[in-house]
Amino acid sequence: DTGVSQNPRHKITKRGQNVTFRCDPISEHNRLYWYRQTLGQGPEFLTYFQNEAQLEKSRLLSDRFSAERPKGSFSTLEIQRTEQGDSAMYLCASNPTGINYGYTFGSGTRLTVV
Amino acid sequence: GENVEQHPSTLSVQEGDSAVIKCTYSDSASNYFPWYKQELEKRPQLIIDIRSNVGEKKDQRIAVTLNKTAKHFSLHITETQPEDSAVYFCAAAGANNLFFGTGTRLTVIP
Repeated sequence: DTGVSQNPRHKITKRGQNVTFRCDPISEHNRLYWYRQTLGQGPEFLTYFQNEAQLEKSRLLSDRFSAERPKGSFSTLEIQRTEQGDSAMYLCASNPTGINYGYTFGSGTRLTVV
Repeated sequence: GENVEQHPSTLSVQEGDSAVIKCTYSDSASNYFPWYKQELEKRPQLIIDIRSNVGEKKDQRIAVTLNKTAKHFSLHITETQPEDSAVYFCAAAGANNLFFGTGTRLTVIP
């Protein structure tokens, strides 16, 4: 286990299509976070899980977005009916429960909606 | 929620000079302040961090200072090198989450 893994690295989709991204965190990490990063901006928090429980969702997470972590290991982020404004880098991070440091980031999934 | 502001948005320095990036935060409950370096289309990489019980931390050419009373913290890079060119983000964390600044694009001119 060498770190946080995200797939795919790049995704190009037509407007209106659904897309799903996957994140595999560091295996000992109970917490998993999703962030969105647009060009020239810092990562913006979307949601986080502790094990399989989704504990917090940002107001940025519209009803077209849904995230799951069914077995408390990998997580998926689905965007339905994609819009051009969804084009961004989607970053996943994980850290152990009980501490607020030790965040490790994945390489991200670059989504382009055409 | 937490609001992190970062300045400047761009910074150009001559090789060998120092670079300073400043951040402020709003939530007094935040107690962990990391700095990340991000190269184009790469993941954010932690370069240094500081917890609220200390005022300064140094690691070779990189140092971070924290003023909890004023709610601001700064990154100092000395003897800059061309490979320091990247986008740098500050962040602030409370119990459950990490909030980022908007980034500083640092260019080191050889």
